[in-house]
Amino acid sequence: AQSVTQLGSHVSVSEGALVLLRCNYSSSVPPYLFWYVQYPNQGLQLLLKYTSAATLVKGINGFEAEFKKSETSFHLTKPSAHMSDAAEYFCAVSVGDSSYKLIFGSGTRLLVRP
Amino acid sequence: EAQVTQNPRYLITVTGKKLTVTCSQNMNHEYMSWYRQDPGLGLRQIYYSMNVEVTDKGDVPEGYKVSRKEKRNFPLILESPSPNQTSLYFCASTTSAREEQYFGPGTRLTVT
Repeated sequence: AQSVTQLGSHVSVSEGALVLLRCNYSSSVPPYLFWYVQYPNQGLQLLLKYTSAATLVKGINGFEAEFKKSETSFHLTKPSAHMSDAAEYFCAVSVGDSSYKLIFGSGTRLLVRP
Repeated sequence: EAQVTQNPRYLITVTGKKLTVTCSQNMNHEYMSWYRQDPGLGLRQIYYSMNVEVTDKGDVPEGYKVSRKEKRNFPLILESPSPNQTSLYFCASTTSAREEQYFGPGTRLTVT
């Protein structure tokens, strides 16, 4: 069965510091992987996605993620945190072309200190 | 503007009083889905629909019903709400498994 694990329910960084949010997945078939962001009192919006093309994926707002098959990971990074990055981040896996099912991790809340 | 709309945005109700949360998308997407979001659990799929008159259970379908009579609409029905259905609900739509899911703004439901 497919699953997603996000390590750390809360991550706190200083403004300007590196952001690293961890995501590991398990899947018996090549996965499609997504990072979504949820700002307070809003719905989810897509940050970036991996669909078997380039392993390093660039998204919006300066975020990027690298797909590492050997480590079954898809960690999200940003070189320099901004106050506006404070939000909750969800990693999700979609399990193949014939299934529209999206399995989410439990989420990581990013706090940015001034 | 491409969007998914949900109504109502906030709802407080009592145990056992039937309610419907509406969801509509204007992108002609075939696939629509309902999720509930609870602290520490992320989003869990309740029901999904791959096209008109085609629906199936997700991970947490108990206590919920759905229907898909038109491509654009996918209402979520709680026939007899209970306090454990207090949650934040999201509707989403997409074109394929490898594409972005577009989410509605959410409906915060409280059942007392």
